[in-house]
Amino acid sequence: DTAVSQTPKYLVTQMGNDKSIKCEQNLGHDTMYWYKQDSKKFLKIMFSYNNKELIINETVPNRFSPKSPDKAHLNLHINSLELGDSAVYFCASSLRGLNEKLFFGSGTQLSVL
Amino acid sequence: GENVEQHPSTLSVQEGDSAVIKCTYSDSASNYFPWYKQELGKRPQLIIDIRSNVGEKKDQRIAVTLNKTAKHFSLHITETQPEDSAVYFCAAPYTGTASKLTFGTGTRLQVTL
Repeated sequence: DTAVSQTPKYLVTQMGNDKSIKCEQNLGHDTMYWYKQDSKKFLKIMFSYNNKELIINETVPNRFSPKSPDKAHLNLHINSLELGDSAVYFCASSLRGLNEKLFFGSGTQLSVL
Repeated sequence: GENVEQHPSTLSVQEGDSAVIKCTYSDSASNYFPWYKQELGKRPQLIIDIRSNVGEKKDQRIAVTLNKTAKHFSLHITETQPEDSAVYFCAAPYTGTASKLTFGTGTRLQVTL
């Protein structure tokens, strides 16, 4: 069983489109995250949710909107996609919060043309 | 601040040699220091972590050392093997307004035969 699963694995789309990435964890963890990894491999946190409540909202354009319908799911919706949004987006979870092991999903490679 | 500096950015060693990667953090309240390994096209995975109540931790060929006074920690890999080739990330929690785990910029390790 995959602990943290995200879909789709690849996403190729045109500028201006709206797209969503879904994430689910079956570990019973309280906290979920979205990380962005750019072409230089920098890993930067975007959002964090604890028990469906938004905890961290980094300086991310408001075109990015996370949604957590329950603590096992954290989806990411992106409006009006731009070329600079091209990156790998990783979902992750941890049991409670900060000082714990992160379990990453397999990543979604987003290419905006 | 929330910076985590990591050096070197690339490291090439011969099989069997040792590799050392160093990180410096800025938040003196940080108390948890994980290391993640990311193989090409894969997700980051935790390989070892250390908490601030110990100065060193070892797990087979990998070890991490922590110097809280100087605010730096290092990853040591001994008897390197080709399968150690990957990008390695250090991380440290930033306990500011919104606590989060900040990643270093990554070290690409290449183990040559």
